[in-house]
Amino acid sequence: DQQVKQNSPSLSVQEGRISILNCDYTNSMFDYFLWYKKYPAEGPTFLISISSIKDKNEDGRFTVFLNKSAKHLSLHIVPSQPGDSAVYFCAARWGTYKYIFGTGTRLKVLA
Amino acid sequence: DTGVSQDPRHKITKRGQNVTFRCDPISEHNRLYWYRQTLGQGPEFLTYFQNEAQLEKSRLLSDRFSAERPKGSFSTLEIQRTEQGDSAMYLCASSLARGGAGNQPQHFGDGTRLSIL
Repeated sequence: DQQVKQNSPSLSVQEGRISILNCDYTNSMFDYFLWYKKYPAEGPTFLISISSIKDKNEDGRFTVFLNKSAKHLSLHIVPSQPGDSAVYFCAARWGTYKYIFGTGTRLKVLA
Repeated sequence: DTGVSQDPRHKITKRGQNVTFRCDPISEHNRLYWYRQTLGQGPEFLTYFQNEAQLEKSRLLSDRFSAERPKGSFSTLEIQRTEQGDSAMYLCASSLARGGAGNQPQHFGDGTRLSIL
């Protein structure tokens, strides 16, 4: 049972436009959500996170939105840059240390 | 600032052999995690340490797998009698848990890629 789902395996966006990556979850006990970026042959790199008590968190070009009623999380990247091309994973935490990851979305930013 | 370090980066071995991986977390981090990642999947939780105590093991971690964090610093993950299905990327992550510090994200190493011949 996949508790964290990223239904789009890939996404292509023109440079300078907005990239929107989506994530759905099923467990209402998740209290902390994170996005990671992964380049080939490297480990995931932490990007941005949000607590379940918030609905938005912004850091530079990256904004994460949380819709608890819909159990939906999204990452907005504005403006998108070619260096943003990578696989993006969303993750959710329940308890104090148990993290569940989605299967990833491959973002390609076209120059 | 040194991040999470994993060694080796790649390991190729024959089926049935034992392998051991090492993880050095970020120095002040008291939490350490091991994950396994296969192609097209996200990282899957294997086990978790708070300081030197192993607090949880996933049912993915059969009795051929053992992990230690003897002094609450580095950790090792050993796989005995390796099988073809053990081929994967093994990722280590660490984080800081401290009262009043709020939510702290995990930081990952670059992983050890295990290939079983």
